[in-house]
Amino acid sequence: SQQGEEDPQALSIQEGENATMNCSYKTSINNLQWYRQNSGRGLVHLILIRSNEREKHSGRLRVTLDTSKKSSSLLITASRAADTASYFCATDPYSGGGADGLTFGKGTHLIIQP
Amino acid sequence: DAGVIQSPRHEVTEMGQEVTLRCKPISGHNSLFWYRQTMMRGLELLIYFNNNVPIDDSGMPEDRFSAKMPNASFSTLKIQPSEPRDSAVYFCASSSTIGDYEQYFGPGTRLTVT
Repeated sequence: SQQGEEDPQALSIQEGENATMNCSYKTSINNLQWYRQNSGRGLVHLILIRSNEREKHSGRLRVTLDTSKKSSSLLITASRAADTASYFCATDPYSGGGADGLTFGKGTHLIIQP
Repeated sequence: DAGVIQSPRHEVTEMGQEVTLRCKPISGHNSLFWYRQTMMRGLELLIYFNNNVPIDDSGMPEDRFSAKMPNASFSTLKIQPSEPRDSAVYFCASSSTIGDYEQYFGPGTRLTVT
């Protein structure tokens, strides 16, 4: 079953604008991760935020996490045509040692208009 | 580093045939994951291994699916017999248990069962 639900399902903006995508999830998490998928390709890890963190930055990416609302947002600033892709949030439900399988949302398809 | 390697990249087979998908994780990674992606169901975790041991196979659809990891550098996902509803893109991912456990995805195998 899907843990995360991204919102919106699709987003089209002009190059240079900021893009914001939201993710909601249902159960407790150890961390939440964002991935990008270009058409016909595998997923690329963008950023991970732990359950005890509230905000994290990486280059033009800013991620927030609100565990009380079970939600996260991904902000891409100064968007570029190359940012056109699908973006997925994924939750890691467990804490402790060892990697765990992720539960993915259905993604937001972002289109950057040149 | 070559990244996660999957083969074949495309597979077309007839219903009832056996299908074997292969994965070579990133050297040094000790966790390996198999996911399936379809338009209807999105990305689903099928099974994952830590140190070559299957940890959670609850996502495997039915007994027609099996996965093995005989050593740290190779895994297979087998479908026998295949059915049209198995048509999907199958991704393999690997991660290290050191650090934040971000997963690195292969390019996927696009399976079409006719």
